[in-house]
Parts: sequence; C-alpha cells; structure tokens
Amino acid sequence: NAGVTQTPKFRILKIGQSMTLQCTQDMNHNYMYWYRQDPGMGLKLIYYSVGAGITDKGEVPNGYNVSRSTTEDFPLRLELAAPSQTSVYFCASSNGEPPYEQYFGPGTRLTVT
Amino acid sequence: DQQVKQNSPSLSVQEGRISILNCDYTNSMFDYFLWYKKYPAEGPTFLISISSIKDKNEDGRFTVFLNKSAKHLSLHIVPSQPGDSAVYFCAASPIPSNAGGTSYGKLTFGQGTILTVHP
Repeated sequence: NAGVTQTPKFRILKIGQSMTLQCTQDMNHNYMYWYRQDPGMGLKLIYYSVGAGITDKGEVPNGYNVSRSTTEDFPLRLELAAPSQTSVYFCASSNGEPPYEQYFGPGTRLTVT
Repeated sequence: DQQVKQNSPSLSVQEGRISILNCDYTNSMFDYFLWYKKYPAEGPTFLISISSIKDKNEDGRFTVFLNKSAKHLSLHIVPSQPGDSAVYFCAASPIPSNAGGTSYGKLTFGQGTILTVHP
C-alpha cells in the first residue's frame, strides 16, 4: 500500500496563477482532509470530505476549492494565488472511527511570489 | 481562539533521559486526544492516542497522560533516543454533536514542540 500520496512535492507560483494539488489514497477511506502548515504553527484544516461528492469547509477555506469525484482522490485547487498561500500543504485520510487517526501524505511545499 | 495549545516551542533532553511534552486544551467536548510525530520534509505520523474516559495509555516507550479537570495532557518518552528528535503535535477530536452523529474525525492541532535528543 502506498498510503496517501501527494503531487507535486514543490511548486513556485507567481501571484495570480492557479494550480491543483493532487492527493490520492489507497486505503478506501471515506474521510479526507486538506491542511496547511505555516512556520511555527500547527496544522489548519482547509477543507474536508466525508465521501465521494460530499465536501465541506474547514477553518481556513478562503482562496481554495475542492472536489471529490472518487473515494481515492481529493484534489485542492488554488485560484488566483496570493503570497499568503505560501505554506506546506498536507492531505490526510481516515476511516472516521475512534481514535480518529489520520494518515498523512508527505506534503507539498508551495511558494507564491 | 486556540483550542489546543502547546506552550513550549522546543525541548532539549539527553539521550536516555525522560522527555515530557505538554499540551493544554480549552474545549471540554473533546473526545479523543492524539499525538503525532513529524520529521522534516515528511508528513505527520500517528504516535499514540487516549480516550477522554481514560487517564493513561502506554505503548512501549511512549505514555500519554490525561488530566481532564486541568484540561491537560502530556506525552512521556522513556528512555529518549536521538531518533526521537522531531516535531511533536498534540491533536484533539470532538465528541459527535448529536446522537448517532459524527465528528467526521476532524482534528484540532496544537502548534507543535520541537524535541531534540542529544547523544
């Protein structure tokens, strides 16, 4: 099992550009999550999904969009990139059952200049 | 409003000694508490968890203690090893909001503590 995979590992965007961060899991988990981690901060939830076709906002959704057309994939879309979106992005998945352990991908380091 | 706080940004210990990482929370509706470990350029990995109905959970060198009245939990690593050097995050998941409901497994994370174990 590959677990949770994310692409790309690194990306530099210019202000105003758009991109999609890819996330795939092979554990048949219904629940998937996108986080961002800024220096010295914990992980902040951007969006989450409880199954194919169902998504909802997390704590910091502004400037992002998601879709969930399959159980395996949960892409995160950045429209009109801004310097404030410079961060490390992590995708995670879980079965949604106690103790609510989430499995994380390796992350995407994004710089917007 | 930071519901989960790790007030120590860093901790340095000698190999073989005990490492104690602390975490405080404000929301009494948290159901499970988890600790994650993160190495540079990798995603967080799950370490150990504890249910709100327990006060201690042990797994090898790692023990988590929960003090509900103080809204405080701690992770003890004994003995500490250089390979334990990493960032440690505590996280908490809320009780489902209604009967038969689900918290969707959402986690609220603390800011992290950098642990350095010196040989």
